[in-house]
Amino acid sequence: AQSVTQLGSHVSVSEGALVLLRCNYSSSVPPYLFWYVQYPNQGLQLLLKYTTGATLVKGINGFEAEFKKSETSFHLTKPSAHMSDAAEYFCAVTTLGNTDKLIFGTGTRLQVFP
Amino acid sequence: DAGVIQSPRHEVTEMGQEVTLRCKPISGHNSLFWYRQTMMRGLELLIYFNNNVPIDDSGMPEDRFSAKMPNASFSTLKIQPSEPRDSAVYFCASTISGPNSGNTIYFGEGSWLTVV
Repeated sequence: AQSVTQLGSHVSVSEGALVLLRCNYSSSVPPYLFWYVQYPNQGLQLLLKYTTGATLVKGINGFEAEFKKSETSFHLTKPSAHMSDAAEYFCAVTTLGNTDKLIFGTGTRLQVFP
Repeated sequence: DAGVIQSPRHEVTEMGQEVTLRCKPISGHNSLFWYRQTMMRGLELLIYFNNNVPIDDSGMPEDRFSAKMPNASFSTLKIQPSEPRDSAVYFCASTISGPNSGNTIYFGEGSWLTVV
């Protein structure tokens, strides 16, 4: 069965600082990996995804993530945090042959301080 | 384009009452999902339909919960009778399903349910 683990339920950074949100996955077959963002009182919005091809994936709002098979990781980064990035971020996985069933991590709440 | 539309956005009900949550997926999408989000358990997949047929309902908590998809543009999630522990945000989501697709799953804004 597939699963994802997000290390750190809360991350705090200063505005302008690097954002790093960690995600490790477990899958016996090649995974498809996703990052979603949830702003307060809203639904989930896709930030970026990895399916096949280039392992460095760029998403919206300046975020990117790199699929590292050897480390079973898909960490989310942004070089310079903005106040508007404050939200909850979810890593999710599906796999070939079961590509519609998203399994979510527990989420990481990002706080950005001025 | 209209996204996934859910109603009601907010509902407060008394324990024991029936609750019906509604969802209209994005036009042309053939897979629909119901998720529940709570502080304690995070995001849980309750049930998943493909072409209006329930494919996986292993996440449905108990017999008090039921879901239907009578046609491609409408689904309901019903709780009868409701209990305080059902208080949560219920999300509906949809996508275009296909082999090897990895297509984006689009979420509605959620139905915020409080059972008192």
